[in-house]
Amino acid sequence: GQSLEQPSEVTAVEGAIVQINCTYQTSGFYGLSWYQQHDGGAPTFLSYNALDGLEETGRFSSFLSRSDSYGYLLLQELQMKDSASYFCAVRFRDDKIIFGKGTRLHILP
Amino acid sequence: GAVVSQHPSWVICKSGTSVKIECRSLDFQATTMFWYRQFPKQSLMLMATSNEGSKATYEQGVEKDKFLINHASLTLSTLTVTSAHPEDSSFYICSAKMGDYYRGNQPQHFGDGTRLSIL
Repeated sequence: GQSLEQPSEVTAVEGAIVQINCTYQTSGFYGLSWYQQHDGGAPTFLSYNALDGLEETGRFSSFLSRSDSYGYLLLQELQMKDSASYFCAVRFRDDKIIFGKGTRLHILP
Repeated sequence: GAVVSQHPSWVICKSGTSVKIECRSLDFQATTMFWYRQFPKQSLMLMATSNEGSKATYEQGVEKDKFLINHASLTLSTLTVTSAHPEDSSFYICSAKMGDYYRGNQPQHFGDGTRLSIL
């Protein structure tokens, strides 16, 4: 089966940088995605890595290393509105997505 | 951008009733839609893959007779929770597959979810 592990909670300070790690035990997937979910809302797509390396999208960057079965989401210049849950997810050939357990990000003023 | 509409957004009903949730792709045709369930403070768990014109594919442990899925058109999939009980209370989210019509590496677009509360 597939499993994706993330820290359950992370706390950071407004304006700082935070990294959310994701380790996985799965194979045959196309890429690693990251989603943000605010309380009561639907997940929103943040980033996708099909290849190893860093992808940058504004304040958010995501990294993938298939050889290490590891990825991370980097959030810079943290804002209070970034307080949410963040999920890594693997995407398969048929576009099925399996989500990780999620990381609750708390941001302190 | 692509929009997926989910209805209703919130429903409360008595135990034993059946509840139907609709998922519509508004500006594209979705041959495949996915249904997820999310309990409080937990991850999204894939329940089933809904394919237009054919039977849904259920994930292991999901009761197909309990969660009826119908994908009768290229823009609509429905999930019916039959004889709902309090343990079925959850946040149900659908997504629609873009197919060859990808946008920015985002192969699925999510609806806003339906919060189901069974009394």
